[in-house]
Amino acid sequence: GDSVTQTEGQVALSEEDFLTIHCNYSASGYPTLFWYVQYPGEGPQLLFRASRDKEKGSSRGFEATYDKGTTSFHLRKASVQESDSAVYYCALSDSTEGADRLTFGKGTQLIIQP
Amino acid sequence: EAGVTQSPRYAVLQEGQAVSFWCDPISGHDTLYWYQQPRDQGPQLLVYFRDEAVIDNSQLPSDRFSAVRPKGTNSTLKIQSAKQGDTATYLCASSFLDRGLEQYFGPGTRLTVL
Repeated sequence: GDSVTQTEGQVALSEEDFLTIHCNYSASGYPTLFWYVQYPGEGPQLLFRASRDKEKGSSRGFEATYDKGTTSFHLRKASVQESDSAVYYCALSDSTEGADRLTFGKGTQLIIQP
Repeated sequence: EAGVTQSPRYAVLQEGQAVSFWCDPISGHDTLYWYQQPRDQGPQLLVYFRDEAVIDNSQLPSDRFSAVRPKGTNSTLKIQSAKQGDTATYLCASSFLDRGLEQYFGPGTRLTVL
């Protein structure tokens, strides 16, 4: 079955640091890739998605580029703020498994120290 | 536009007790999902509906869990005889098929089984 791997369980940075959260995927088809963000006490909310190789998704200063060759969709932000503290999930949807199904990674908790 | 609403927000049970979770999706959304999110993990799909029909319930523990969406709007997820391993947050999400794959999540119900 499909799977998503986020290697960092937690990332701690200071304000204005550069952020990278790694995401690699395994899918039998050609998946659509997503980044979701979850704040305490809330459900996940979509940051952005990408559907094709080399497509870049972006929102709120975050960005990620779909790389079919390395099966990756790493999240980056040039300068983080304290308000970015949250849990970030990489996810995929694969039409061969049912286009509506989202498979999530385990999440990366981002802690930004002022 | 009102978001996805869920109730109750919290539930605490003894093992063997029953509990029901209720979800009101975004108006007009034809697809409704139930996810289980154990602590410090990503959401895992349990079941989803298009209108009133179950599309996929393969991950729903059918001996104790049931889900219905009788009129294609609100939905109820029920656990007949809760176990400690059911301790998790239960998230409801909805989407509109013709508008792509974006799922909108509710705040979830945090269940603790003692």
